[in-house]
Amino acid sequence: GAVVSQHPSWVICKSGTSVKIECRSLDFQATTMFWYRQFPKQSLMLMATSNEGSKATYEQGVEKDKFLINHASLTLSTLTVTSAHPEDSSFYICSATGTSTDTQYFGPGTRLTVL
Amino acid sequence: QKEVEQNSGPLSVPEGAIASLNCTYSDRGSQSFFWYRQYSGKSPELIMFIYSNGDKEDGRFTAQLNKASQYVSLLIRDSQPSDSATYLCAVVNDYKLSFGAGTTVTVRA
Repeated sequence: GAVVSQHPSWVICKSGTSVKIECRSLDFQATTMFWYRQFPKQSLMLMATSNEGSKATYEQGVEKDKFLINHASLTLSTLTVTSAHPEDSSFYICSATGTSTDTQYFGPGTRLTVL
Repeated sequence: QKEVEQNSGPLSVPEGAIASLNCTYSDRGSQSFFWYRQYSGKSPELIMFIYSNGDKEDGRFTAQLNKASQYVSLLIRDSQPSDSATYLCAVVNDYKLSFGAGTTVTVRA
């Protein structure tokens, strides 16, 4: 149980384009989803927290207009990187928690490369 | 001041030995503690969670929690080469996970 999927697993795009990453909880209802970014040899950095049906809460320094997060249902959250630039190239990972638990289960991650 | 600190690595142990990982946290009010394993290029995978003082065992893994000392540890018994990874200690603060920097473990065959 507690499986989280992400799609796509990797994406290459041109600078200036937008990329959407999906995060799904497959066997539980995710009341809260989290989006992280991880650069090589660094720790995970929390970007934002989203609750179903509510606006996401962004961490300090994360541009909400650049990283659009939608949590439209209890099993799906999306992260859209708008007008991507090479410095946005990173490993994006989502996680989810279910009801009555604070255990976060992580998706497999999406590797974004912006040319 | 870092909220979660882990013993610096890397940690190299021979196959079959016990690997011991330590973690301290600063928020005395923290209630939930986690150990994740992260292989290179992969996302974190939950190994253990612990909420109460004492030991919790799951297979070859044992987590230990001492809230008075604000200390969490993970023991890996009978270490295998497949245990070679970075181990992340994480503590819940305000519904969010605070991670340690991680300890990289290498199990020598």
